[in-house]
Amino acid sequence: DIQMTQSPSSLSASVGDRVTITCRASQGISNYLAWYQQRPGKVPKLLIYAASTLESGVPSRFSGSGSGTDFTLTISSLQPEDVATYYCQKYNSAPWTFGQGTKVEIK
Amino acid sequence: EVQLVESGGGLVQPGGSLRLSCAASGFTFNNYFMHWVRQAPGKGLVWVSRISSDGGSTMYADSVKGRFTISRDNTKNTLYLQMNSLRAEDTAVYYCARVEYGNIPYGYWGQGTLVTVSS
Repeated sequence: DIQMTQSPSSLSASVGDRVTITCRASQGISNYLAWYQQRPGKVPKLLIYAASTLESGVPSRFSGSGSGTDFTLTISSLQPEDVATYYCQKYNSAPWTFGQGTKVEIK
Repeated sequence: EVQLVESGGGLVQPGGSLRLSCAASGFTFNNYFMHWVRQAPGKGLVWVSRISSDGGSTMYADSVKGRFTISRDNTKNTLYLQMNSLRAEDTAVYYCARVEYGNIPYGYWGQGTLVTVSS
């Protein structure tokens, strides 16, 4: 099975900072990659699919890039409401594996 | 408004069984593939199972294969997860989630139901 590895596991940044989270697949998955945001105590929310397509209603400070094995989620200007854990997920075929998550905090 | 509402969680002893339900409303249920995803307390998201729109095709994570069965009743707009031979490591919040047209995952999630496996 393809493994999904996120880095870093956690990060702390200041409001307004640019934040980058990486997700690496152990084999190529084309662009079948989604990103989710899970705020504390809340249900996960889809942010990006097809590696770079922003879900409707998601702020434009979020962006995704990559293809094949290496993917990136970028928050261009971190806001207090972005405190959350972010997950990537492959969906080209079963199993629809998630990364282990990246916890984002405000410094 | 799309709604997914899980129920059926609770405390069960190791080796026991439980059936989760996910009641869907606000959309044409029989047009959508559905998944179950779980999250152990303080841990990450883990994909569990998937079922096709007509129920004819199912897939499972290796960790639950042979113990869990996903099914659906399109006349009742309800998704199910029958969980047998439960283990402590199955303790988690279980979410149902809808796959969007174009195989785009999880535009909608339920609020989750907690399953605790403990003696």
